[in-house]
Amino acid sequence: DAKTTQPPSMDCAEGRAANLPCNHSTISGNEYVYWYRQIHSQGPQYIIHGLKNNETNEMASLIITEDRKSSTLILPHATLRDTAVYYCIVRVALNNDMRFGAGTRLTVKP
Amino acid sequence: DAGVIQSPRHEVTEMGQEVTLRCKPISGHNSLFWYRQTMMRGLELLIYFNNNVPIDDSGMPEDRFSAKMPNASFSTLKIQPSEPRDSAVYFCASSLVAGGDTDTQYFGPGTRLTVL
Repeated sequence: DAKTTQPPSMDCAEGRAANLPCNHSTISGNEYVYWYRQIHSQGPQYIIHGLKNNETNEMASLIITEDRKSSTLILPHATLRDTAVYYCIVRVALNNDMRFGAGTRLTVKP
Repeated sequence: DAGVIQSPRHEVTEMGQEVTLRCKPISGHNSLFWYRQTMMRGLELLIYFNNNVPIDDSGMPEDRFSAKMPNASFSTLKIQPSEPRDSAVYFCASSLVAGGDTDTQYFGPGTRLTVL
């Protein structure tokens, strides 16, 4: 049973912001939202995670709605190297069950 | 800092042969995970260790698969005998569980296994 729903694919113009949505309507109060990405033929790369508050790091920003039923990963200035599959995962804190769904294939175009 | 190290990066073997995949976690991390990725099933957790002890191996497909972690800096995943359906990319990941509220897993580059 999928805990998250993501669009299968998205395009973004180079230099523009990429906004990747994720629905997690059944999220529990103790579940975190994690984002990873996988560039072709590489291992999944951690991007960011959050519980309730919006988060920002050097790679991206994570916006979580007040009801926590959805979130958006924002890459502020997408580059061609950001082309990858992006995974949104919900997991209980310190629960090591990381369930990767199909993710969103983001293509950044020149 | 070195990330998670996996070897070999590519392995081609014949059906029936034994295959051993190796992983060195990030120094200081105390949890280690083995995943398998295929086109059909995506990324699946096979087994994870905490402080070198296997905690959950419910994802291990069958008895042909075994994993060990003899010390904090080394783990192996062994398949004996290997079958063509074992062909996949195998990832190792590690994390530090240190009394905080969550942990983050960092993945290695993977081993691409092809069983002929």
